[in-house]
This record gives sequence, structure tokens and C-alpha cells, in this order.
Amino acid sequence: DAMVIQNPRYQVTQFGKPVTLSCSQTLNHNVMYWYQQKSSQAPKLLFHYYDKDFNNEADTPDNFQSRRPNTSFCFLDIRSPGLGDTAMYLCATSTPTGIIETQYFGPGTRLLVL
Amino acid sequence: GNSVTQMEGPVTLSEEAFLTINCTYTATGYPSLFWYVQYPGEGLQLLLKATKADDKGSNKGFEATYRKETTSFHLEKGSVQVSDSAVYFCALTMDSSYKLIFGSGTRLLVRP
Repeated sequence: DAMVIQNPRYQVTQFGKPVTLSCSQTLNHNVMYWYQQKSSQAPKLLFHYYDKDFNNEADTPDNFQSRRPNTSFCFLDIRSPGLGDTAMYLCATSTPTGIIETQYFGPGTRLLVL
Repeated sequence: GNSVTQMEGPVTLSEEAFLTINCTYTATGYPSLFWYVQYPGEGLQLLLKATKADDKGSNKGFEATYRKETTSFHLEKGSVQVSDSAVYFCALTMDSSYKLIFGSGTRLLVRP
């Protein structure tokens, strides 16, 4: 089945130790997104790629970076994680098909910063 | 700006009860509307969607109708099951925008 895959599902890291989260998709979608979801909150968009064009949300901390080496893969790099970065990180994809821009989500990576 | 407001949870129901989760929106223009469901420890799954006024989205027994006059997209199900226990997010997106704007989510707990 075509899908959005995230690895790892669970990640524990130490304060200040860089971490990379991975997302891959078999949907061949143009757009890939990274969201941060803290406990009992709605997902918050960090940034998205339209093909190779990177679009950062204005309030995304500089500590968060992203790479998209090809259509299928997108990475989230947290350069110096703080305790407040403990959250679920969700990857999503979409493709422009007229009016509806439906996003398809992966299962998420739960990050714990100690 | 554009925003989504959902009823606060948790909503606790007995199995086979009728479910309504209220969602209203504020938007400058004509958004597309979505309901996503998040089961414990999982990512979000698209439940249903609607793109224009009076459209009804439906899936797995859930329904929601796009009401422009009341700027609402309430989620309903006639008979809930224990397996419907999850967090439900109402969301909108505007034409030519890639940004999904979510409500705060409503937790549903269905007891046997």
C-alpha cells in the first residue's frame, strides 16, 4: 500500500544532542510537511517543501532544520534539542489536485528529550 | 485570521449512543473542511472532508455537513463503538494554501 512512513517511531535523546527524524513516502506527492504536536495539543506546522522549495513557518525556531534530498524522503534535524522539544513529530504529504489539498499523515515519531 | 473552534472534551458516551462534536470556523473566503482522527499513540488519519457549502462528507458511519450560513462542520455518528475512542480534529485549508489550520481537538471516550 502507498503510505507515509516515519522512523524511528520512538526516539530518546539528551538535552543538546542533535537528532534526525526520517520520513519517506510512496505516494509520489509533491508536498511534504513536518508538524510538531505537544501533549494534548493540535499539530503545529513547522515547515513544508513543495518539491525542492522550502517554506518555513515564521515562528519555527532556528533549532529546527529540514532536508529533502529527493521526492520520497524528508528529514527533520533538531540541532540542539531542549526539554521543550519533547513532542510527537508528524510528517504529512499532499499533492495539488484541484480544489482539495488533502494531507496524508504518517504514524509519527515520539521524541523524548532528557 | 482563519481559525477553527471545537467543543472541549472529553466527551464520554456509552456504546451505541449518538455522537455530535461541534466545529465552527472563521475564514476569509471559502475553505475546505476536514475531520481527522487520532487514535492513541498514532498519527492523524483523514476521516472525511467537504469542499463547498452543503457538501456532506461521510466515512465509517461518521458524517459532517459544510454549513456556510452557520460556518459550521459538526461531526455526527448515529451509534458509536468503543473502537471510536480517539481524539478528533476539525481543520480547514484555504484555496492555494498548503497550511492546515486545526482546532484544538476533542477527545472521545466510549464506554462498553
